[in-house]
Amino acid sequence: DGGITQSPKYLFRKEGQNVTLSCEQNLNHDAMYWYRQDPGQGLRLIYYSQIVNDFQKGDIAEGYSVSREKKESFPLTVTSAQKNPTAFYLCASKRGLRTLPEESYGYTFGSGTRLTVV
Amino acid sequence: KNEVEQSPQNLTAQEGEFITINCSYSVGISALHWLQQHPGGGIVSLFMLSSGKKKHGRLIATINIQEKHSSLHITASHPRDSAVYICAPRTGNQFYFGTGTSLTVIP
Repeated sequence: DGGITQSPKYLFRKEGQNVTLSCEQNLNHDAMYWYRQDPGQGLRLIYYSQIVNDFQKGDIAEGYSVSREKKESFPLTVTSAQKNPTAFYLCASKRGLRTLPEESYGYTFGSGTRLTVV
Repeated sequence: KNEVEQSPQNLTAQEGEFITINCSYSVGISALHWLQQHPGGGIVSLFMLSSGKKKHGRLIATINIQEKHSSLHITASHPRDSAVYICAPRTGNQFYFGTGTSLTVIP
């Protein structure tokens, strides 16, 4: 079955360490996204990529880095510069580079990684 | 200021009840998504709509673009509907996410 795989589901790290969250999709989707969710808040965009070897900052990119070397993979690194890294991280993907007909679906979400920094 | 307001924030219902979750937004949008987030965190896209009404099984979503308002209805609610429901208006690739409505359906 096609979908998005995020691993691991739960991740614990010591303060000051960099950590990389995995996001893999086998949907042949062009665009991929990383979101962060904090308790009581909506999802916020960290980074997105619309094509291989290209990515754009979202609303809260500081302290994060990404790469898009392959179409199916969009790993997110939470660096030690991120002041409050403990959160739920969600990866998503969307087919097509151009705007789709509005009545079509296209977005698929992963199951998320819950990162706790101690 | 939140671009997206959902109500209620928390909702408890008896099995079989008709449920309505409301979403108001202040931004111009090209489409609006309703998402379902289960306790484990995974998110499923329930609907994407830009006008009118859509129905999938016991779920119905409506949108009024002029009034910048959308509703999600669940008919004959069931305990397996217990989840967080998130309203997410979208402009191009930019999502605006509501904080969600936490629904608990009691048998």
